[in-house]
Amino acid sequence: KNEVEQSPQNLTAQEGEFITINCSYSVGISALHWLQQHPGGGIVSLFMLSSGKKKHGRLIATINIQEKHSSLHITASHPRDSAVYICAVEKTSYDKVIFGPGTSLSVIP
Amino acid sequence: EPEVTQTPSHQVTQMGQEVILRCVPISNHLYFYWYRQILGQKVEFLVSFYNNEISEKSEIFDDQFSVERPDGSNFTLKIRSTKLEDSAMYFCASITTGTALLFGPGTRLTVL
Repeated sequence: KNEVEQSPQNLTAQEGEFITINCSYSVGISALHWLQQHPGGGIVSLFMLSSGKKKHGRLIATINIQEKHSSLHITASHPRDSAVYICAVEKTSYDKVIFGPGTSLSVIP
Repeated sequence: EPEVTQTPSHQVTQMGQEVILRCVPISNHLYFYWYRQILGQKVEFLVSFYNNEISEKSEIFDDQFSVERPDGSNFTLKIRSTKLEDSAMYFCASITTGTALLFGPGTRLTVL
């Protein structure tokens, strides 16, 4: 079983829709990161979370440490949000940041 | 805003040749990583580096690979004898306690 899982694997949405991407993990962590990678592009950090909730523009990230679960929400989605969204966790030991498999989002005008 | 930089942006090499990929992490970060991404596939962990030594490596990181931080600022990944299947984007990342995980723009390695 993978230590970090994401759902859905692929997501197509109409412009303006509210989007939720889920991440669950099975290891002890010190922090969780949400990353974004546009097609053919680099990897950009969106959020780092160790508890609670963070908001940046139309993006909201939440984490529930007890349930080992995090969600990334996109409000009023736009075609430029089309990208792969990756959940990554810092294991408590810091030895390795483990990546989830990614969620490929396509927002259609 | 501080950035992780990587050079070169694109490296083309012949199979069997040695390549060195260079990264300059954020100056006050303590943990450094190399990842690779084969075209169309997900990002894969290669190695983590802390306190001037490897702290963990994946099964991909075999004897053909090595890392070092020769001068306290650069962080290099060396592939001794490249194979066709080493063709990929290689990303360097750095982090320290309480900070975002910051990635460099990547080096595209093409092995012919």
